Amino acid sequence: GAVVSQHPSRVICKSGTSVKIECRSLDFQATTMFWYRQFPKQSLMLMATSNEGSKATYEQGVEKDKFLINHASLTLSTLTVTSAHPEDSSFYICSARGQAYEKLFFGSGTQLSVL
Amino acid sequence: DAKTTQPTSMDCAEGRAANLPCNHSTISGNEYVYWYRQIHSQGPQYIIHGLKNNETNEMASLIITEDRKSSTLILPHATLRDTAVYYCIVEVDNNDMRFGAGTRLTVKP
Repeated sequence: GAVVSQHPSRVICKSGTSVKIECRSLDFQATTMFWYRQFPKQSLMLMATSNEGSKATYEQGVEKDKFLINHASLTLSTLTVTSAHPEDSSFYICSARGQAYEKLFFGSGTQLSVL
Repeated sequence: DAKTTQPTSMDCAEGRAANLPCNHSTISGNEYVYWYRQIHSQGPQYIIHGLKNNETNEMASLIITEDRKSSTLILPHATLRDTAVYYCIVEVDNNDMRFGAGTRLTVKP
């Protein structure tokens, strides 16, 4: 089956630094990618939807200048958390969909801890 | 603002069938019902999806009512490894996968 690879799986950074998370579709072309965040004991919250080659569509309340999303190719999307603060600490998950598939494939998630 | 409602939690005995209900009373005619599950600190895992007909695969069965306002995910022989949070999702506009609160299933020995 299709595989989505997400890296890093865990990152610890200092407050004020930026962190980049990569999401790759390994064996299919991902026309659409989704980024979610999840706090402990809560459900996944959709942050943004990105289509290859176009700007991401952000959900209400998600700062686009804070969470930079780039989907420059059909196999790679990146989420950059800029000037991270402790309240940005969360579990970030990407998912991808290709033209040939109806379902989403999810990455394994990135646990971000901002000190 | 997920379009589904699920019980918060359920228990199931190991080896027995686990039946997880989901209500989606506002579903539109062309919207699919998807089921995913999430084991602690991992990405969600796809289980099954359907539109109108009942579906079965190696993991589970999906029963959708005739009016499509509700569905049931069936794990025929639950194991301890099936303990997870199960999410029922109705896709909006063919590109909007929003998760509700899900059902926390605990399989007990």
